[in-house]
Amino acid sequence: GQQLNQSPQSMFIQEGEDVSMNCTSSSIFNTWLWYKQDPGEGPVLLIALYKAGELTSNGRLTAQFGITRKDSFLNISASIPSDVGIYFCAGQLSGGSNYKLTFGKGTLLTVNP
Amino acid sequence: EAGVTQFPSHSVIEKGQTVTLRCDPISGHDNLYWYRRVMGKEIKFLLHFVKESKQDESGMPNNRFLAERTGGTYSTLKVQPAELEDSGVYFCASSQGDPIAGGPLGTQYFGPGTRLTVL
Repeated sequence: GQQLNQSPQSMFIQEGEDVSMNCTSSSIFNTWLWYKQDPGEGPVLLIALYKAGELTSNGRLTAQFGITRKDSFLNISASIPSDVGIYFCAGQLSGGSNYKLTFGKGTLLTVNP
Repeated sequence: EAGVTQFPSHSVIEKGQTVTLRCDPISGHDNLYWYRRVMGKEIKFLLHFVKESKQDESGMPNNRFLAERTGGTYSTLKVQPAELEDSGVYFCASSQGDPIAGGPLGTQYFGPGTRLTVL
């Protein structure tokens, strides 16, 4: 089946630093999504990317949909303590019955004040 | 607008017992999904409803799992009998539009999850 390789697995950074994480796949996806999960909560959508090459920002977050449709990255600038959590990438095909999300294993982000 | 809700938030049962999880999607969302995350692993798709119909249940682990969505509103996921490997966090998600079209209408919004522990 399809698999997403998400890296790094975990990150420990100081408040104010920038963060970068990425996902790669051997398969093509038509949509890339980035979710964040806080403890005891479900994944919350941060950014959705629908077109190859698309670069989208949401506040301090920036994500790009790779040209090959097989990768995506998420950048967080000027990190703050509330950025702590698990970040998941997810790919989705569209068309036919391909609606299920395929997730990466997540990146655990710790921000030291 | 209320988000996706799930009940219970936690469930601890013994091997061989039965557990039923409930999900209430966002009002007006015809598409409802179940996912599961086993500790240390990625979140994995279980099944997808469109209204009351099962669109795809290819991710269901085995026949001990039964999902229903009577009336096309809330959904239940029953595990009977539960085994140790069923432990994990079960997420429900819903989306408004036809996922075939892609785009924002197909965006899936997740509930807080039910943490199931089988002893």
